[in-house]
Amino acid sequence: SFELTQPPSLSVSPGQTASIPCSGDKLGDYYICWYQHKPGQSPVLVISEDTKRPSGIPERFSGFNSGKTATLTISGAQPMDEADYYCQTWDISTSVVFGGGTKLTVL
Amino acid sequence: EVQLVESGGRVVRPGGSLRLSCIASGFIFNDYSMNWVRRRPGKGLEWVSGINWNGEKTDYAGSVKGRFIISRDNAKNALYLQMNSLRPEDTALYYCARDPIYDSSGAYFDYWGQGTLVTVSS
Repeated sequence: SFELTQPPSLSVSPGQTASIPCSGDKLGDYYICWYQHKPGQSPVLVISEDTKRPSGIPERFSGFNSGKTATLTISGAQPMDEADYYCQTWDISTSVVFGGGTKLTVL
Repeated sequence: EVQLVESGGRVVRPGGSLRLSCIASGFIFNDYSMNWVRRRPGKGLEWVSGINWNGEKTDYAGSVKGRFIISRDNAKNALYLQMNSLRPEDTALYYCARDPIYDSSGAYFDYWGQGTLVTVSS
């Protein structure tokens, strides 16, 4: 079955750039989306279709898919960005797949 | 404003059944595919099921296939998840989520509800 792999955790200092990787087989064949999930809140779509930032998402969030690895980049991470981040894709053969999630700590 | 409000979650015994509901507002419901996604305690997000705009296409995660049934009533702006043969590992917060890809039965999710808690325990 198709899998997306993320590191369990990542820690950065405020103002630093946080780069969260997501790996999987033949990632170039898929669109990758990213969600931010804070405790007690609903998940929020922060990047769709590899690079698109939905309305209301700060410009410091960006996405890229190299074909081997997809990356969510938070430029100038802030304490409010502390959350679990998930990559996700879909396909007729794989249905919907989430990565295991990365806990981002900003302190 | 897009709103998705889930209900129906409660404590249920293993082997029991439950129906979750999600009422949508703020958008034209029958223009969108809809999905259920869950988060089990201590685990990550897990897609459960998806349904296209008119209910003719559905898809399920392997872990729930044959036990759960997704449906919708466009006249009531409502999405449902009938959960049968429940297991302790189905314990989770269940989210209703809107899917912006036309006519899909599972793509990605641009709006999410607050979730409804299902606990399967004896």
